[in-house]
Amino acid sequence: QSVLTQPPSASGTPGQRVTISCSGSSSNIGSNIVSWYQQLPGTAPKLLIYNNNQRPSGVPDRFSGSKSGTSASLAISGLQSEDEAHYYCAAWDASLNGLFGGGTKLTVL
Amino acid sequence: EVQLLESGGGLVQPGGSLTLSCVASGFTFSDYAMNWVRQAPGKGLEWVSSLSHGGHSTYYADSVKGRFTISRDNSKNTLWLRMNSLRAEDTALYYCAKDNYGYPSTFDFWGQGDMVTVSS
Repeated sequence: QSVLTQPPSASGTPGQRVTISCSGSSSNIGSNIVSWYQQLPGTAPKLLIYNNNQRPSGVPDRFSGSKSGTSASLAISGLQSEDEAHYYCAAWDASLNGLFGGGTKLTVL
Repeated sequence: EVQLLESGGGLVQPGGSLTLSCVASGFTFSDYAMNWVRQAPGKGLEWVSSLSHGGHSTYYADSVKGRFTISRDNSKNTLWLRMNSLRAEDTALYYCAKDNYGYPSTFDFWGQGDMVTVSS
């Protein structure tokens, strides 16, 4: 059972906008930055969003992040087939223990 | 180009020990914290340990505290994870991940991972 809660699955059709939520508490998301990672099948995770809503260079602007209180969200607009992957949120707690959400498997229908 | 190359994984018996290495290139290693993250077969990501850029501050998940030791040599651009008293539940793909700051913050680059299997 992960401290950060994500829905286990999400889906959408090409071109749609989907959002993935990540729920935590005041001791983690509520007081620290959130990052998001994409893991394509059989590959290492890749940083998608850092500092709650910043995109590293090379990440398309179709991906966006937000945070409000003790929850965060990842939005993917203009869904493409290559977006089919697992997505993980991450944050730190007050003791600087790293936390990951359980992951959300995104299916492009 | 940032590159992280893990090695040292393999099959080990319960109670045994193993040391993972991560050789880094393409960035100033001594400027950034480094991390280990693992993924059990078919499961999600689990943070294992972090080490500040100078090597003076260490952080461990409760599940490995007292058994695993993280260390680095900035002159060799190398990160290690010494794993003792290994258990079946430590079986996982272990990723070395660079941070984007001198203290644990964000895993901005990842290695390809090294498999550790604990089994008799």
